[in-house]
Amino acid sequence: GIQVEQSPPDLILQEGANSTLRCNFSDSVNNLQWFHQNPWGQLINLFYIPSGTKQNGRLSATTVATERYSLLYISSSQTTDSGVYFCAVYTDKLIFGTGTRLQVFP
Amino acid sequence: KAGVTQTPRYLIKTRGQQVTLSCSPISGHRSVSWYQQTPGQGLQFLFEYFSETQRNKGNFPGRFSGRQFSNSRSEMNVSTLELGDSALYLCASSWAGSYEQYFGPGTRLTVT
Repeated sequence: GIQVEQSPPDLILQEGANSTLRCNFSDSVNNLQWFHQNPWGQLINLFYIPSGTKQNGRLSATTVATERYSLLYISSSQTTDSGVYFCAVYTDKLIFGTGTRLQVFP
Repeated sequence: KAGVTQTPRYLIKTRGQQVTLSCSPISGHRSVSWYQQTPGQGLQFLFEYFSETQRNKGNFPGRFSGRQFSNSRSEMNVSTLELGDSALYLCASSWAGSYEQYFGPGTRLTVT
C-alpha cells in the first residue's frame, strides 16, 4: 500500500521564525490533506491540496503530485502553532504520515 | 454550520467492560469513518460507513464494531475491553464522493 513519510519528525522554533514541513508519498495520488492536531487531540483541517499552491494567512501549502511530495510553510510562527502536523492521502481510507511535532517558544 | 461532534469526550472503563462511542457528522455528510490513535501505532483506520452500510474495514479484531443510522449518525462499540484499547478515537465525515475528511474532537478512552 501507499506509504506516507513526513520530515522532520520534530521541530523547535522561536516565535517569529519560519518553517517548512515536508510530506512524501510513495504512489500517485489525486488528493492530499494537511491537518494540525491541537493539544486536545482534535485534527484541524488546514488544506485540501491535491496539486498546486494554496495560502491561508500565515500558512501555505504546495503539492507537486508528479514528484510525489507536498510542503507546508508556516511563516512568523506563534506559540499557538505548536502541536503535531499530519499529512494524509485517501485511498479507500486516510493514510496518515507519522507527523511533525512543532514546538514554538516565546 | 456545526462541525463533527463526538460523545462522550472522555471515558474511563474497566477491562472486560464494553463501550459505545457516538459520532454526529456535519449536516449533509453521509460518509463517516472511525480512527484509533495511540502513541505506539499512530492513526489507524477502523471502519467507514456510508448510507448505513459498512463500506470498508481496517485490521482490528471483531470486538470492534460499528453502525450508522438513517440520519448518518454513527456509533462504534468495543466489547470486552483490553488495556491496549486505551486510545483517542476520532470520527471523520465527508460529502459523498469527496476525499476531504473533517474530524471531530475525539473521545479519549482509558481502560484500567
